[in-house]
Parts: sequence; structure tokens; C-alpha cells
Amino acid sequence: RKEVEQDPGPFNVPEGATVAFNCTYSNSASQSFFWYRQDCRKEPKLLMSVYSSGNEDGRFTAQLNRASQYISLLIRDSKLSDSATYLCVVNELRAGGYNKLIFGAGTRLAVHP
Amino acid sequence: DTAVSQTPKYLVTQMGNDKSIKCEQNLGHDTMYWYKQDSKKFLKIMFSYNNKELIINETVPNRFSPKSPDKAHLNLHINSLELGDSAVYFCASSQGGSWGTTEAFFGQGTRLTVV
Repeated sequence: RKEVEQDPGPFNVPEGATVAFNCTYSNSASQSFFWYRQDCRKEPKLLMSVYSSGNEDGRFTAQLNRASQYISLLIRDSKLSDSATYLCVVNELRAGGYNKLIFGAGTRLAVHP
Repeated sequence: DTAVSQTPKYLVTQMGNDKSIKCEQNLGHDTMYWYKQDSKKFLKIMFSYNNKELIINETVPNRFSPKSPDKAHLNLHINSLELGDSAVYFCASSQGGSWGTTEAFFGQGTRLTVV
């Protein structure tokens, strides 16, 4: 089983649509969770952290379910500029207090007019 | 002022050559990483250094040798390059801690093509 698994996509949605991405992780000891965004031929950039209580940033809502080891990202009112690959990222705390960021393979989103 | 900078941005070289990629961060972070993103776009960790000390070494061929002269720099040297080494290599940094890590910042990537 992969350490972090995501829907591969692509998700093709019209502007204004609501779209949801899912992610599961295998290590129950994982400490913190993130969604990153990667545009074509660019570096990944942090979109938002994911907190246990769930969190919202404008049109974006992230949820974490530790019991099911499941993370989600909801995008409301999709914009053309939301077209990108969305990476689910899990931080594992290793012996010695060191961190290891593990990336999912990413979910591609294409928003069309 | 670029937070994480890596050079070169593009590298085209022949099989069998040795090459280096340099990375520098000016964020004061204590942890730096090298990631490889292959043609399938999967971003996979290769190495991680914390305060110049190697802490993560994934199953990477020993032709790849990272070097961290100080906590702001993490270079990657690759010996005897092979066709399968063609990929985009990303350097990143973050501030670690026992509670988990803060945001990781990535360099722009080095697109390596081995011919």
C-alpha cells in the first residue's frame, strides 16, 4: 500500500462547480497534513494546512479524519485559475524528532469555461 | 529575494557524466530536502538533512551523494548519470520541530535530461 494515496484525476469541471479530492495515508502515527498546489512546470506551493477540526480558507475547505486516516479538500465555485495538480502531503515524525514530508501522486484539476 | 534557489534550472548531459545541482535557502530553516519528480509527476523524497546532518536517505542509488556544507546549503552530486535519472529535481526547506513541520518551501526545480 502506498504511504499516501490520492484520486489520480483528471477532474474536468466547469467554472462555478464544486469539486472534492480525497486522500488516504497509511501511517497512523502521522503528525501533520497539508494540501499543496503545483502548476504545470512549477514548484509545489502550500495551499493550506489541514487541522483535526477542519479548516476553511475562502473557497477551500480541508477536512481530516484521523480514525479513517483520510484527508479531503473541497473547492467551491471553481475558477479557471484553480486548474493545477493538488498534492496531499503527510508529515511523519521520525525518531529523534525529525520530520519526513511524504507527497501523494497528486490529483489533476482542469476547470473549463 | 528568492527563498530557496537552486542551480542550474536546466541541465542536459550525456550518460556517464558526473554533475552537481546546488541549493541554497535564506529562510533560516534547519531542514532541507531533495525530491525527485519523474515523468509520471510523482514527487518522491530522496534525502533530508537537519542542521547539516543526514536524517533521511531513501532507497537511492549510491551514485547520488548529497552534501551539506552548512544548514543553508544542500547540494546534490550525481555520478555516472543514467537515462533513468532524467527528471525534475526539487530542493526544499522547512523548519522542523517535534510538533511537526511548518510549511516546506521549494526551489524552482532543476530539469535534468540525460541523453
